[in-house]
Amino acid sequence: DADVTQTPRNRITKTGKRIMLECSQTKGHDRMYWYRQDPGLGLRLIYYSFDVKDINKGEISDGYSVSRQAQAKFSLSLESAIPNQTALYFCATSDGGGSYNEQFFGPGTRLTVL
Amino acid sequence: AQSVTQLGSHVSVSEGALVLLRCNYSSSVPPYLFWYVQYPNQGLQLLLKYTTGATLVKGINGFEAEFKKSETSFHLTKPSAHMSDAAEYFCAVRTQGGSEKLVFGKGTKLTVNP
Repeated sequence: DADVTQTPRNRITKTGKRIMLECSQTKGHDRMYWYRQDPGLGLRLIYYSFDVKDINKGEISDGYSVSRQAQAKFSLSLESAIPNQTALYFCATSDGGGSYNEQFFGPGTRLTVL
Repeated sequence: AQSVTQLGSHVSVSEGALVLLRCNYSSSVPPYLFWYVQYPNQGLQLLLKYTTGATLVKGINGFEAEFKKSETSFHLTKPSAHMSDAAEYFCAVRTQGGSEKLVFGKGTKLTVNP
């Protein structure tokens, strides 16, 4: 079984719709991250959380919100989706206690906003 | 603030040839450095990392990288390319004792020709 799972894997939606992307992990890590990947731009950090009560904005948080429902779950929401939010979204986790912040990635969610 | 520059968004080599993917970083304090690989339709997987100690780091699948502080570089090499190495490669940096966040380069897509 995968250590970091993301649902859905693919989603097509329309402008203005609310969308939630979910991430679950079984690695027991306390730190979780949401990134988006766009061709030629690499990965950019949207939000990150170092524990259930800690939520931090990344470099491109506008238009997004997150919820850390439990240590193992971290959801990303687009309140009103727009076409330039079409991208590949990745969730990642890391163990704050060691491993020099090596991050483990989920398989990604491909989101298309029409 | 730290940053990463990957020279060459696309690199093409012949099967059996040397693979060299370039990464330069900017950091005011000693960095931790990472190379990740992304195979088509998959998430990112850690290839190797430099934290402290030996500057030549060996990773999975025959890849290695050398941390050169004087050149602020962390280039990824493999002596002999295999068709299965075709993927996108990302260099990432974080600062020791600083923010836990990783900063990624924009990626280099490696094509291996038969």
